[in-house]
Amino acid sequence: EAGVVQSPRYKIIEKKQPVAFWCNPISGHNTLYWYRQNLGQGPELLIRYENEEAVDDSQLPKDRFSAERLKGVDSTLKIQPAELGDSAVYLCASSPPWDRYGYTFGSGTRLTVV
Amino acid sequence: AQSVTQPDIHITVSEGASLELRCNYSYGATPYLFWYVQSPGQGLQLLLKYFSGDTLVQGIKGFEAEFKRSQSSFNLRKPSVHWSDAAEYFCAVGEDGNKLVFGAGTILRVKS
Repeated sequence: EAGVVQSPRYKIIEKKQPVAFWCNPISGHNTLYWYRQNLGQGPELLIRYENEEAVDDSQLPKDRFSAERLKGVDSTLKIQPAELGDSAVYLCASSPPWDRYGYTFGSGTRLTVV
Repeated sequence: AQSVTQPDIHITVSEGASLELRCNYSYGATPYLFWYVQSPGQGLQLLLKYFSGDTLVQGIKGFEAEFKRSQSSFNLRKPSVHWSDAAEYFCAVGEDGNKLVFGAGTILRVKS
């Protein structure tokens, strides 16, 4: 079974430019999460989807961040415009309905804003 | 809000020696507790979890953890460390809504 797939693996952009990250969760996993991991810190939740509905986006900086999960499967996280402080690893995870905390994490996208 | 503290940023142990990584949490009720491992460039892999029952939990790769309510701790242990165990380890607590709250992590270095 394929795991959670994220792309790209690495991205370097100049500040004020837009950037997008893509995530394909495990088939059958209705819950999808985006976490941000700053250097030297643990991951922090940005947004959680149940199917196509964003049920927890309280930590998403909505002035510059947006996310969508079309048809309740793949998801895209966008930053526009990017700031230097957005440099981090962006992790996607998914979990099935029968295992509330049964997360599977993707390998992440490492974003560097210069 | 819940929080997780991992007091040690770095730990270095000799190969074959025992290991204990510390984790303290703040939560009013019985918490859901997790340990994850992250190798460079990789996602997080679950080592073990505690929901209820026996306070000594066995996980993958020879790891175990003990839940101690009186100390609000969930320390990770391994009796004999292998060089391949070098990685970063994260303790986490589960919040309502399937959310995980992570500690800052402990980097394990293994010297031969």
